[in-house]
Amino acid sequence: DAGVTQSPTHLIKTRGQHVTLRCSPISGHKSVSWYQQVLGQGPQFIFQYYEKEERGRGNFPDRFSARQFPNYSSELNVNALLLGDSALYLCASSLEGQGPYQPQHFGDGTRLSIL
Amino acid sequence: RKEVEQDPGPFNVPEGATVAFNCTYSNSASQSFFWYRQDCRKEPKLLMSVYSSGNEDGRFTAQLNRASQYISLLIRDSKLSDSATYLCVVNGDDYKLSFGAGTTVTVRA
Repeated sequence: DAGVTQSPTHLIKTRGQHVTLRCSPISGHKSVSWYQQVLGQGPQFIFQYYEKEERGRGNFPDRFSARQFPNYSSELNVNALLLGDSALYLCASSLEGQGPYQPQHFGDGTRLSIL
Repeated sequence: RKEVEQDPGPFNVPEGATVAFNCTYSNSASQSFFWYRQDCRKEPKLLMSVYSSGNEDGRFTAQLNRASQYISLLIRDSKLSDSATYLCVVNGDDYKLSFGAGTTVTVRA
């Protein structure tokens, strides 16, 4: 079975541009979460979507937005890119909303570099 | 104060050694706990869930102390392939996973 897939793998953008990152969850998983990981730190929670509704949001500015589609895939959009947005963006899926003992399974990530 | 704090290490140990490290969490309402492993420039992968009574998975033992709000991971008989960053992960009651910054373990031949 395919795991969580993310695209693109790598992306280079310049300040002020916007970017769309895509994620397909494991088949049967209805919950998708997005994380940002900068070098030397653990992943930081951005959003969780479950059944196409936003279920949680981390401490990120409104430049970050996301959505989930009927097939449970998801997009993360970032507008007005800043140098500090350079990071590995990770998507994770789980069987349902993050109830107890529902571990998440991560994709390979999209490495975003802002010049 | 960070939600999840870990000793960053690095822990440099010889093959066959035992290594243990902790993480502390600040939210007393946290409900579930995990250890993830992350290799350099790769995605985190679930190592094990951590249960209240403590649990083992082969050479790995995890403990949870709710009173003191810490989680531990012990690796016995270390292998070269255990070299990685170990991420402590805590799930509160708000649909959010909080990650520590990771503990780096290097196992040498």
